[in-house]
Amino acid sequence: NAGVTQTPKFQVLKTGQSMTLQCAQDMNHNSMYWYRQDPGMGLRLIYYSASEGTTDKGEVPNGYNVSRLNKREFSLRLESAAPSQTSVYFCASRTLFLDGRYSYEQYFGPGTRLTVT
Amino acid sequence: GNSVTQMEGPVTLSEEAFLTINCTYTATGYPSLFWYVQYPGEGLQLLLKATKADDKGSNKGFEATYRKETTSFHLEKGSVQVSDSAVYFCALTPDSNYQLIWGAGTKLIIKP
Repeated sequence: NAGVTQTPKFQVLKTGQSMTLQCAQDMNHNSMYWYRQDPGMGLRLIYYSASEGTTDKGEVPNGYNVSRLNKREFSLRLESAAPSQTSVYFCASRTLFLDGRYSYEQYFGPGTRLTVT
Repeated sequence: GNSVTQMEGPVTLSEEAFLTINCTYTATGYPSLFWYVQYPGEGLQLLLKATKADDKGSNKGFEATYRKETTSFHLEKGSVQVSDSAVYFCALTPDSNYQLIWGAGTKLIIKP
């Protein structure tokens, strides 16, 4: 199993450009998440998808859109990039039940380092 | 509301020293508590967890005990190694919510 994969690993954008960050998981997990990580601020949730066909805003959704394409894939789109969106972006996934018990563990991808100039 | 507070880093120790990273929380209900670790250039991975009061999570020589009376979940290790250098995150999930609430992370540096 590859786990959670993210593409690209690195990206540099100019202000106003758009791009889509891709995320896929092969663990048959129901829930998927997008976070951003900034120095000294830990992880902040951008959007999440509790199950296929649903998406919800997290703590910092402004400037982003998401698509849960199918159970495996969850993409994050920046329509008009701004320097404030320079960050490291992590995708994560989670199954609802593990070994017959409710599970909260999230599995993370390796991250995308985005710089907006 | 729900929140997690971790000690600020970086924490610098010599190899074989005893480690404590403090974590306290505020939450309604009965949250589950987690420690995640992020090695340089990688994503986060679960280190250990505890789902109810007085539970002790343990993994790779690290331990943390869920203390409801002090609302704490401090991470400890008896003898650290250079390979333990990483950023450690404390987190909680409030009962059955889909989200994790994260602390700011504590960078640990172990010198040989």
